[in-house]
Amino acid sequence: KAGVTQTPRYLIKTRGQQVTLSCSPISGHRSVSWYQQTPGQGLQFLFEYFSETQRNKGNFPGRFSGRQFSNSRSEMNVSTLELGDSALYLCASSDQTGPPGYGYTFGSGTRLTVV
Amino acid sequence: QKEVEQNSGPLSVPEGAIASLNCTYSDRGSQSFFWYRQYSGKSPELIMSIYSNGDKEDGRFTAQLNKASQYVSLLIRDSQPSDSATYLCAASDQAGTALIFGKGTTLSVSS
Repeated sequence: KAGVTQTPRYLIKTRGQQVTLSCSPISGHRSVSWYQQTPGQGLQFLFEYFSETQRNKGNFPGRFSGRQFSNSRSEMNVSTLELGDSALYLCASSDQTGPPGYGYTFGSGTRLTVV
Repeated sequence: QKEVEQNSGPLSVPEGAIASLNCTYSDRGSQSFFWYRQYSGKSPELIMSIYSNGDKEDGRFTAQLNKASQYVSLLIRDSQPSDSATYLCAASDQAGTALIFGKGTTLSVSS
């Protein structure tokens, strides 16, 4: 079956702009989690959605937001971009029949560069 | 701030040797622990999960968990050059809906 699809793969944005990233989970998966990966901080949790509800949020400023649609597709938005937002943004989907992380399938990520 | 700590490496081992990777975690409420492998330029993939104290073996991989010491390890037997990657240790948070990742240990297996 199809994997987790993240679009776009690469983005270059200017400071102050906003950006929307998209994630389509594996068919049947209702949980979508977002992570930010940088060389300095590693993988950091942004938020998790299950059946359109945000169940958990990481320690990121309010400029980072997300949502999930009824078909389980998820989007995350970053407003007023800063240079430090340059990172690989990874989406992971799961069917949540086990603990978090069990059955996680990561997408290929969106590489965001802020200039 | 809940943390998972790993030695960044690089850890270099010859082909056929045992590679030993370790991590410690700070949140005693963590219940589930995972090892992910990430090749350069790729996304992480799950290689082992462990939930109770002791050892869990899967092929060439053995995960070990000691909750009293808040310590997780991964042993890779008969290491192959294809095992060269960054290994990420992760622990579930208390809410059970997120993972806390270590920054990863880079493993290099030379032929």
